[in-house]
Amino acid sequence: EAGVAQSPRYKIIEKRQSVAFWCNPISGHATLYWYQQILGQGPKLLIQFQNNGVVDDSQLPKDRFSAERLKGVDSTLKIQPAKLEDSAVYLCASSPGGPFNNEQFFGPGTRLTVL
Amino acid sequence: AQSVTQLDSQVPVFEEAPVELRCNYSSSVSVYLFWYVQYPNQGLQLLLKYLSGSTLVESINGFEAEFNKSQTSFHLRKPSVHISDTAEYFCAVKSRTGNQFYFGTGTSLTVIP
Repeated sequence: EAGVAQSPRYKIIEKRQSVAFWCNPISGHATLYWYQQILGQGPKLLIQFQNNGVVDDSQLPKDRFSAERLKGVDSTLKIQPAKLEDSAVYLCASSPGGPFNNEQFFGPGTRLTVL
Repeated sequence: AQSVTQLDSQVPVFEEAPVELRCNYSSSVSVYLFWYVQYPNQGLQLLLKYLSGSTLVESINGFEAEFNKSQTSFHLRKPSVHISDTAEYFCAVKSRTGNQFYFGTGTSLTVIP
């Protein structure tokens, strides 16, 4: 079974530029999560999708971050414009959904450096 | 909401020695508890989880954790560590009725030869 795929693995941009990350969850997984992991901290949930609907985006900085999962499969997370404090690893995770939503499967992450 | 506290940010231990990584949580409702491991340049992998039943849960590589409701703890232990156990370990909590997972700040375990 293929795992959660993310691209790119690394990205370096200058502040005020835009950047987009892509995530392809495990086939059949209804729930998709985007996390931000700042160095030395645990992952912080940015947004959670159930199929193509948003379940929780309370911690997403909506003035600069956006995410979509149009067909309920893969997802993109965008930052526009980026700030220095956005430097972090962005993790995507998926889970089956429903009563089996108690285990998340994580992708390798995208390490973003904002200069 | 729930929260997780991992008091030890770094734990160095000699190879074949025992180790305990501490995790305490806060919640007003019943929870599920998890330990994840993150090897360098990799994503998080589930190590073990407590959902219900026996309060002692084990992983396939010798780690175990015990859910202690009275002390709101879920400490991770291994009786004899290997070099390959060097990694970052995250404790996480999720309410039984909610959607969100809450992670601790992580403990960096370094096994010294």
